[in-house]
Amino acid sequence: GAGVSQSPSNKVTEKGKDVELRCDPISGHTALYWYRQSLGQGLEFLIYFQGNSAPDKSGLPSDRFSAERTGGSVSTLTIQRTQQEDSAVYLCASSLGAGGYEQYFGPGTRLTVT
Amino acid sequence: TQLLEQSPQFLSIQEGENLTVYCNSSSVFSSLQWYRQEPGEGPVLLVTVVTGGEVKKLKRLTFQFGDARKDSSLHITAAQPGDTGLYLCAGGDSSYKLIFGSGTRLLVRP
Repeated sequence: GAGVSQSPSNKVTEKGKDVELRCDPISGHTALYWYRQSLGQGLEFLIYFQGNSAPDKSGLPSDRFSAERTGGSVSTLTIQRTQQEDSAVYLCASSLGAGGYEQYFGPGTRLTVT
Repeated sequence: TQLLEQSPQFLSIQEGENLTVYCNSSSVFSSLQWYRQEPGEGPVLLVTVVTGGEVKKLKRLTFQFGDARKDSSLHITAAQPGDTGLYLCAGGDSSYKLIFGSGTRLLVRP
């Protein structure tokens, strides 16, 4: 079966522009996570969706960042008025449920803000 | 704030050598996971350990969870070029959140 897919794979944008990053989780996975990874570093938690529950947005670094998940499946991470420090790889993961289930990661979107 | 520190940050070794990567914290975790990430790809789960003192083996890889569940190690025997990658540890509590370490970048030279 298909794994987690993300698009675009690469995005170059000018400072101040808005960007949308998309994540298609594995079918049937109720939990979805967004992470940010700076060059060669560990993963920074951004946001978590679980079923119909209110998302955990505690990791979003500023109000320029937002995310939604439509129909319990596809998720979009939006960054408004991008800054150079937003440059990173944005990873999406999904899992069967919360609390201890294996997270399956997508290949990520590499965002470069010039 | 829970933090996980990994050491070393970078390791370059010759094929056939052994190595150990460490993951340490001052916090207790209910589980500890190890991931490997290759360039251009997302991390892939290698193992999950949940019991203090637990040792798990995956072919040439041996994972250990500390007795106090605050630290973990990954030992690779007779490293091969295919082991090259970024190794990440991640600590879990009883909820859904994982705290990731900063990673150890391993290069195995043929």
